[in-house]
Amino acid sequence: ILNVEQSPQSLHVQEGDSTNFTCSFPSSNFYALHWYRWETAKSPEALFVMTLNGDEKKKGRISATLNTKEGYSYLYIKGSQPEDSATYLCARGSPGANNLFFGTGTRLTVIP
Amino acid sequence: DAGITQSPRYKITETGRQVTLMCHQTWSHSYMFWYRQDLGHGLRLIYYSAAADITDKGEVPDGYVVSRSKTENFPLTLESATRSQTSVYFCASSDWPGELFFGEGSRLTVL
Repeated sequence: ILNVEQSPQSLHVQEGDSTNFTCSFPSSNFYALHWYRWETAKSPEALFVMTLNGDEKKKGRISATLNTKEGYSYLYIKGSQPEDSATYLCARGSPGANNLFFGTGTRLTVIP
Repeated sequence: DAGITQSPRYKITETGRQVTLMCHQTWSHSYMFWYRQDLGHGLRLIYYSAAADITDKGEVPDGYVVSRSKTENFPLTLESATRSQTSVYFCASSDWPGELFFGEGSRLTVL
């Protein structure tokens, strides 16, 4: 069992602000880092899967970076919109499909 | 339509009863997963399957049984439900090690 820590647990930002949050994980035996976006009353949807140290991925206004040596990933949202309000989950994987461990998420609320 | 569907979406049962949660996917993904989601915990893996007739335990398998006779279906059975199994259950499929595609969840209450 791996401890995947996400911070902050929750945050509120004004529409138009940029924000970021952190996923921390043990760096040993790293295989992949997943980010998911989870809207209330819906199912989690994948944003990114990253595997290489130094990876940077972008989807629209959302981007993510990965540092496998120090065990963290950042998720950035540029110019937050109300529709970005959701819980953002990260999951850290070692080899093996039973070795993907999720954090408890960061709940983002964007205030219009 | 292609996707992953779970049923029932909501279920209330009593302690000791058997309950089966169904999961069906139309992508022909080889891997399927069952997670539970509880307050204060991240999604925790109950069981997963790498292919038809191949299943294995996850982090919290006790009290659950799975089967996978067909690639598209992955039912989860609680043989004798307990209150501690009150939770929201998510099924997912994947072309592992790629991203997971989640169903909409099944909320189970055990009285």
